[in-house]
Amino acid sequence: EVQLLESGGGLVQPGGSLRLSCAASGFTFSSYAMSWVRQAPGKGLEWVSGINYSGVSTYYADSVRGRFTISRDNSKNTLYLQMNSLRAEDTAVYYCAKRQYSSGGGAFDIWGQGTKVTVSS
Amino acid sequence: DIQMTQSPSSLSASVGDRVTITCRASQGISDYLAWFQQKPGKAPKSLIYAASSLQSGVPSKFSGSGSGTDFTLTISSLQPEDFATYYCQQYHSYPYTFGQGTKLEIK
Repeated sequence: EVQLLESGGGLVQPGGSLRLSCAASGFTFSSYAMSWVRQAPGKGLEWVSGINYSGVSTYYADSVRGRFTISRDNSKNTLYLQMNSLRAEDTAVYYCAKRQYSSGGGAFDIWGQGTKVTVSS
Repeated sequence: DIQMTQSPSSLSASVGDRVTITCRASQGISDYLAWFQQKPGKAPKSLIYAASSLQSGVPSKFSGSGSGTDFTLTISSLQPEDFATYYCQQYHSYPYTFGQGTKLEIK
């Protein structure tokens, strides 16, 4: 079964850091591009960051560029999101999502269950 | 950035009804359009990709259409489990953007 399992969320003070992980199973992780998507309380979905299958190419929303870093370890089948200089507006549930095609394109077809990040003093 | 605008923002319907949600892109995105369903407290579920293709396991009561800037999601014969929030998303170019969502409620 194809599965994504996020972890690493929690309560952090403004200005702090957190690293999220997304463990993949049931598919050849190293062949697929991945993304992070977040959802603030009571709000809609916001794409945060994406990475190609090899990790060479990365992409960011303007709201997080320069503060967040996406990476992957294909030997561990794991996607990461390093979040620095956190702000209250980064409070959200963070989801990882798999792209549909091994070539790197396609829509998101599989989502994790999410991990909650709360930025508050 | 490409802006995605969904309408309506909320919709009341009855079991058995057929409903249509629209999504408009601020510039042409060909058919790089996906639809997702989300229930409270749950992760989004992928319904449709490439504007009109059903994800594996998604019932044929869901259908999508459109190309360029205008897209629709139609749900036929609504059942209680279909009442949820629906989002469109463009994956034509980064940053990928979502519509604001359409909350489908039971009348």
